Amino acid sequence: QVTVKESGPVLVKPTETLTLTCTVSGFSLSNARMGVSWIRQPPGKALEWLADIFSNDEKSYSTSLKSRLTISKDTSKSQVVLTMTNMDPVDTATYYCARILVVPAAMIYFYYYMDVWGKGTTVTVSS
Amino acid sequence: DIQMTQSPSSLSASVGDRVTLTCRASQNIGSYLNWYQQKPGKAPKLLIYAASSLQSGVPSRFSGSDSATDFTLTISSLQPEDFATYYCQQSYTTPRTFGQGTKVDIK
Repeated sequence: QVTVKESGPVLVKPTETLTLTCTVSGFSLSNARMGVSWIRQPPGKALEWLADIFSNDEKSYSTSLKSRLTISKDTSKSQVVLTMTNMDPVDTATYYCARILVVPAAMIYFYYYMDVWGKGTTVTVSS
Repeated sequence: DIQMTQSPSSLSASVGDRVTLTCRASQNIGSYLNWYQQKPGKAPKLLIYAASSLQSGVPSRFSGSDSATDFTLTISSLQPEDFATYYCQQSYTTPRTFGQGTKVDIK
């Protein structure tokens, strides 16, 4: 059974750095057809894609948050870590990790879609 | 960044209704479009990928279509468990942007 699970602090102070961990099971982070994405959702608002990472260590980031985000993986531990610096109350949200599948489409292109999601972890930014 | 615009932002419908949700991309994204369903307090669930491919286990009343920039998600006969918020997401390029969602509630 494939699962992903988020963990991290419930409360962080403004200006602090947030570190979230996604622990996966049922698949390997070395699988070339899979990766892990992070997505967040402020209360009552839409989903916002943050970053993803793949087996070859290819990483992508949200344009608006790129300067504050770092994604990394420890394949041996089956973990993906997301750090976000300089936290602000507007970063209060539920943070999700999800497995992202990479499926060949046409020519050199691939489909990417998130098929397994964690339950999310709620992070509040407040002094 | 590619902008994804969903319409309407909300709609009210009855059980048994045929419902069509729309998602428009700010540029041609081919068929690189996914649909997710989210219920209150729950994680999103993948419904459709590659614009029209039904994820395993998803009821066949859900279907998707595409035309490069304009995409639709259709629920052929709305069921009580389908009342939720639906999000589209483009996977043509990074950042993998989501739409703002369409909330489907009970009329």
